[in-house]
Amino acid sequence: DAKTTQPPSMDCAEGRAANLPCNHSTISGNEYVYWYRQIHSQGPQYIIHGLKNNETNEMASLIITEDRKSSTLILPHATLRDTAVYYCIVRVAMTGGSYIPTFGRGTSLIVHP
Amino acid sequence: SAVISQKPSRDICQRGTSLTIQCQVDSQVTMMFWYRQQPGQSLTLIATANQGSEATYESGFVIDKFPISRPNLTFSTLTVSNMSPEDSSIYLCSVGVGWNTEAFFGQGTRLTVV
Repeated sequence: DAKTTQPPSMDCAEGRAANLPCNHSTISGNEYVYWYRQIHSQGPQYIIHGLKNNETNEMASLIITEDRKSSTLILPHATLRDTAVYYCIVRVAMTGGSYIPTFGRGTSLIVHP
Repeated sequence: SAVISQKPSRDICQRGTSLTIQCQVDSQVTMMFWYRQQPGQSLTLIATANQGSEATYESGFVIDKFPISRPNLTFSTLTVSNMSPEDSSIYLCSVGVGWNTEAFFGQGTRLTVV
């Protein structure tokens, strides 16, 4: 598995963009980068994933560097409800096609008023 | 997508007893997994629940302590046996619905052993 490194904590002002970095320097060519978040007392929630192109959905944007050794999750206009632990995961491929998310410590994002 | 229902949502149990946690999915899924999240920690994979065969356990987890059943493609149970206070954690069910798709998680079962 490719390992990921994230800062343990970050904070952001409400309404501003939150930029969460992730290093995955040992990522393989066919491994995707996934982001999940876990709001307190809830199960993890999928946010976005990508291979090498930048991706955007209704929740966030994912910027992956050209060498794929790092990525940044961007929450364009953070709200108080975005306070959560954010996990960057590199997919582990399994026989049969499904994958098992392996979680690191993640980044605890606190959005303050 | 998949909607996962976990029961119970929380429980307080006496040491030495066992608790069975149920995970029901609203559609047939290929893979089902069980995770543990100890207080203040990240998620740790316990095992993969295999339909029709024995579960596949990760290092540090054994069948006698965490027996798992998966009778069909929509349901699985995890039992925490002979509980001690160290088993106090959140237990989460997760499913994978196919290649290059996200994993879905239940809301978890918050277990406190006293």
